Amino acid sequence: GQNIDQPTEMTATEGAIVQINCTYQTSGFNGLFWYQQHAGEAPTFLSYNVLDGLEEKGRFSSFLSRSKGYSYLLLKELQMKDSASYLCAALPPGNTPLVFGKGTRLSVIA
Amino acid sequence: SAVISQKPSRDICQRGTSLTIQCQVDSQVTMMFWYRQQPGQSLTLIATANQGSEATYESGFVIDKFPISRPNLTFSTLTVSNMSPEDSSIYLCSAGLGGTGELFFGEGSRLTVL
Repeated sequence: GQNIDQPTEMTATEGAIVQINCTYQTSGFNGLFWYQQHAGEAPTFLSYNVLDGLEEKGRFSSFLSRSKGYSYLLLKELQMKDSASYLCAALPPGNTPLVFGKGTRLSVIA
Repeated sequence: SAVISQKPSRDICQRGTSLTIQCQVDSQVTMMFWYRQQPGQSLTLIATANQGSEATYESGFVIDKFPISRPNLTFSTLTVSNMSPEDSSIYLCSAGLGGTGELFFGEGSRLTVL
C-alpha cells in the first residue's frame, strides 16, 4: 500500500524561505511529484524527482532521499501568490497513477 | 503537455438524480483517470478509465455508482448516480502521457447535492 504524510498547514512571511516536508511509505516507488493547487483550481505540476538529490527550478526546489522515504519542496523569496496547497504524490510502479498526500496549505503573510 | 476541458464546471443537483461529467483532452493520451477531491482534502482516485473496456475502480468505488466511459483516446465521461449530499465534491479528470508519470488535470467539476 501507499502512505504519504505531509503537514496540514504552514504559514510563512513574504520574502522568506519555506520548506514543506513529505514522507512516504510505498510498496514500490518510481518517483515523487509535487503539485501546486490554488483554491478552486486544478493542481498544476511543479517538480518530479526520481533520483536522490536536489532539483532546482527557479524559486522552487525539490529534494528526494529514496533510502529515507523523504522529500521536501523548498520555496524561496516567497510571494503572496504562493499561497496555495502543495500536494506531494508518489508514483507506484507499473501503470498505476499517482497517489497523493493530503496536501499542505501554505499561507504567505505580509 | 495536455490541455483538459471538463464540463460542467459546477452544478447544483437534487438528491436522487444523476449527473454526467465530460472530459475532453486536446491530444491522444495513454491514461485517463478520475479523482474526487472533497472540501479541504487531497485527491482520491476513483478509477482508471480504460479505452474500449470497463474502467478499473479503486476500493470503495463501484461501477453502479460511478459509471465511466472512454470511447476513444481523448474523451471520457464520469456519471455520479443516485446522488446524495455526501457526493458533494470536486471531480477531476486527469490524463497521463506515459513516460514520467506526470498527470495533467482538468479544472474540475464542483457538484453540490441538496
